[in-house]
Amino acid sequence: NAGVTQTPKFQVLKTGQSMTLQCAQDMNHNSMYWYRQDPGMGLRLIYYSASEGTTDKGEVPNGYNVSRLNKREFSLRLESAAPSQTSVYFCASRPDRGEASEQFFGPGTRLTVL
Amino acid sequence: QKEVEQNSGPLSVPEGAIASLNCTYSDRGSQSFFWYRQYSGKSPELIMFIYSNGDKEDGRFTAQLNKASQYVSLLIRDSQPSDSATYLCAVRPSSASKIIFGSGTRLSIRP
Repeated sequence: NAGVTQTPKFQVLKTGQSMTLQCAQDMNHNSMYWYRQDPGMGLRLIYYSASEGTTDKGEVPNGYNVSRLNKREFSLRLESAAPSQTSVYFCASRPDRGEASEQFFGPGTRLTVL
Repeated sequence: QKEVEQNSGPLSVPEGAIASLNCTYSDRGSQSFFWYRQYSGKSPELIMFIYSNGDKEDGRFTAQLNKASQYVSLLIRDSQPSDSATYLCAVRPSSASKIIFGSGTRLSIRP
């Protein structure tokens, strides 16, 4: 049981390049989330998916797209990377077992855009 | 107005004292409230959750919720150096799957 896995762990891009961040969970959770965390700041929600086949915008969706490929996988795509997207990206999943069901986080992807 | 607000700190507390962390939220219909701890370079990990008004205790940690004032707090008793971390308040707004985080409070426990 690996929990939430993210690939890659580190990535350096040049401005204008594209890439996809991968996230997978093996806990059969319904909800999945993408957050970004900038230095000294909390987590800001980019997109989330309440169930397979659905996605919704969070607080900072501009410049990103997502795909909920199946129940296990939720990917985040940067079509044309910008230096402002330099951040640590966390994926999380949640079982939706009621009010108190917690989120489980992946190890993060550290992205630098030059 | 941000949906979830926290004092960024740093909050410095002597070892053995009580650390008090505060959080306010804007959505009056919010249902669930979480406190996460995050060590530098690591992922957030859940410490406490609360969804009913009042206090909830778990070991050295107590979460307090006041829905009328839209306020949630975390008390850490007998603070230890290992409690030094950033504490993130998270809120699940009404009827939503999304969870919104505050900017975090950096806590430092001095020996």
